[in-house]
Amino acid sequence: KQEVTQIPAALSVPEGENLVLNCSFTDSAIYNLQWFRQDPGKGLTSLLLIQSSQREQTSGRLNASLDKSSGRSTLYIAASQPGDSATYLCAVPTNFGNEKLTFGTGTRLTIIP
Amino acid sequence: SAVISQKPSRDICQRGTSLTIQCQVDSQVTMMFWYRQQPGQSLTLIATANQGSEATYESGFVIDKFPISRPNLTFSTLTVSNMSPEDSSIYLCSVATAGSGYGYTFGSGTRLTVV
Repeated sequence: KQEVTQIPAALSVPEGENLVLNCSFTDSAIYNLQWFRQDPGKGLTSLLLIQSSQREQTSGRLNASLDKSSGRSTLYIAASQPGDSATYLCAVPTNFGNEKLTFGTGTRLTIIP
Repeated sequence: SAVISQKPSRDICQRGTSLTIQCQVDSQVTMMFWYRQQPGQSLTLIATANQGSEATYESGFVIDKFPISRPNLTFSTLTVSNMSPEDSSIYLCSVATAGSGYGYTFGSGTRLTVV
């Protein structure tokens, strides 16, 4: 059974700092990994999708890496801004070839102005 | 990627009543997924809805409590029946575009409070 863990559960950093969020998964037989952002009481916004054949994806100040063999992914946020404050979730398909997603526990990020 | 319109965005309901949540997608998709997010928790899959067939429910979720309709390839509804305060959660629908390789898109969520 796929299990996804995110560390830390919560993180507070001053504005302008760079930061890294971590995601680990137990079953490395995945074909992609997706990072989402969730604002309080809202739905999920897709940030980055990494295919199993890729090692990283970049979008603006965000960079996500994937190491399938070690079951890890990181989300790097550069030059953090107060608007980055949200909960960040990573998710992988529950079973290879199955389209259900298993979500991590999330990291609640607070950027201090 | 697909765009999903989810309604209502929030509601406060009396216990014992039912609420129907709607999701409209701007393109045809084979499968739609319904998730629940209880306060302070991550997302849990309720069921997978295919057009023209009964939804497939995950362990712990039953059709009598969460009936789902999927009348066509762009629309689905989830009903939360006979509600209790324990049903207070955010409910989200999701679709995978062009197969899972292209990622998932989520609706904006329905924040349900049962009093």
